[in-house]
Amino acid sequence: DVKVTQSSRYLVKRTGEKVFLECVQDMDHENMFWYRQDPGLGLRLIYFSYDVKMKEKGDIPEGYSVSREKKERFSLILESASTNQTSMYLCASSWTGSVTYEQYFGPGTRLTVT
Amino acid sequence: KNQVEQSPQSLIILEGKNCTLQCNYTVSPFSNLRWYKQDTGRGPVSLTIMTFSENTKSNGRYTATLDADTKQSSLHITASQLSDSASYICVVARGSGYALNFGKGTSLLVTP
Repeated sequence: DVKVTQSSRYLVKRTGEKVFLECVQDMDHENMFWYRQDPGLGLRLIYFSYDVKMKEKGDIPEGYSVSREKKERFSLILESASTNQTSMYLCASSWTGSVTYEQYFGPGTRLTVT
Repeated sequence: KNQVEQSPQSLIILEGKNCTLQCNYTVSPFSNLRWYKQDTGRGPVSLTIMTFSENTKSNGRYTATLDADTKQSSLHITASQLSDSASYICVVARGSGYALNFGKGTSLLVTP
């Protein structure tokens, strides 16, 4: 089974702090994604990566950056956390060889910025 | 504009009853349509994926249908159980399948 793990289930940070969210997948997937999920808005893509050291902006990249130094690990960075970044963050991965590019999701990190 | 609309927004049913969730989309070009189940506080888990040529797909008590002509899909849940209480998200992949458009989900509550 594909396993996608995220470093924290719950996180509380203060405004202005630098925040790191880590995601690790164990299936050698090329593609990894970061989403945020807010009530009434659904999932929105922040960034994705299709290879090590490669990254592409999603629909809402402002205020975020990412890092992918190793194939299995994809980090989301909030350079200076703000209260409007309070949300559920979901990481996902997929295999390029899959016909459907099915994405497998991690359990999520609920981030609260105070 | 690529959009995925789900209805109803929320639904309450009695345990043992059937229910059907709807998904309409305007995504183009269409690649595939997925239904995910998301338990509260958890990540989404895939239930079914259907490509253009498939019009029905089952996963246990879950049956998804796809009408590519009318751009509609439904998820039918048979003999509901308390564990079916979750949010159900319709996702349409476009182009090569890489880019996804997410619906906002239907929140289902199954009561005893």
